[in-house]
Amino acid sequence: ETGVTQSPTHLIKTRGQQVTLRCSSQSGHNTVSWYQQALGQGPQFIFQYYREEENGRGNFPPRFSGLQFPNYSSELNVNALELDDSALYLCASSLGGLGGGYEQYFGPGTRLTVT
Amino acid sequence: KQEVTQIPAALSVPEGENLVLNCSFTDSAIYNLQWFRQDPGKGLTSLLLIQSSQREQTSGRLNASLDKSSGRSTLYIAASQPGDSATYLCAVRPGNTPLVFGKGTRLSVIA
Repeated sequence: ETGVTQSPTHLIKTRGQQVTLRCSSQSGHNTVSWYQQALGQGPQFIFQYYREEENGRGNFPPRFSGLQFPNYSSELNVNALELDDSALYLCASSLGGLGGGYEQYFGPGTRLTVT
Repeated sequence: KQEVTQIPAALSVPEGENLVLNCSFTDSAIYNLQWFRQDPGKGLTSLLLIQSSQREQTSGRLNASLDKSSGRSTLYIAASQPGDSATYLCAVRPGNTPLVFGKGTRLSVIA
């Protein structure tokens, strides 16, 4: 069974640029959630994709967008990067969308630094 | 709005000591509660998942309890080791919503 993988591991961008982060879900999982974790804080929910549709979104602006592909892998796109976007971005996969309370399995994260 | 609080924020103990980490949440209507471990700059490793109908879960030296009515959970670590040093995060699933996390407890186990 393959776990959740994320790429790249680290990324440095300049304010105003755009970035794409990638996530491959665990085998058999149809749901991917993205979280942002600032230094010293707990992860904050960005959005979730279930069977290629966004089915939940946290308090993040529209410049945070995403996609889920037929193989259930996912991308997180952030436009017009701001310094406060510097964080660890975590992807988690699970079954069944937001309902059912299924366990989420997290990837190793992508560390984004905006200068 | 569900809020999760973890106390203490940081803890330093000598090797071999038994310890308890605390987690409290404001709304008792939850599907489940998870405890995670996070090493510096790394992702989250799930330690224990307690469904709302359960009172506790055990894995090796770890035991997690859940008291839904009082909005509390504890993570008990027996015979702590330097390798247990990490940040421990508590998260609740409040129904059809994503996980809500606390800020974590940073644990240092001194050899």
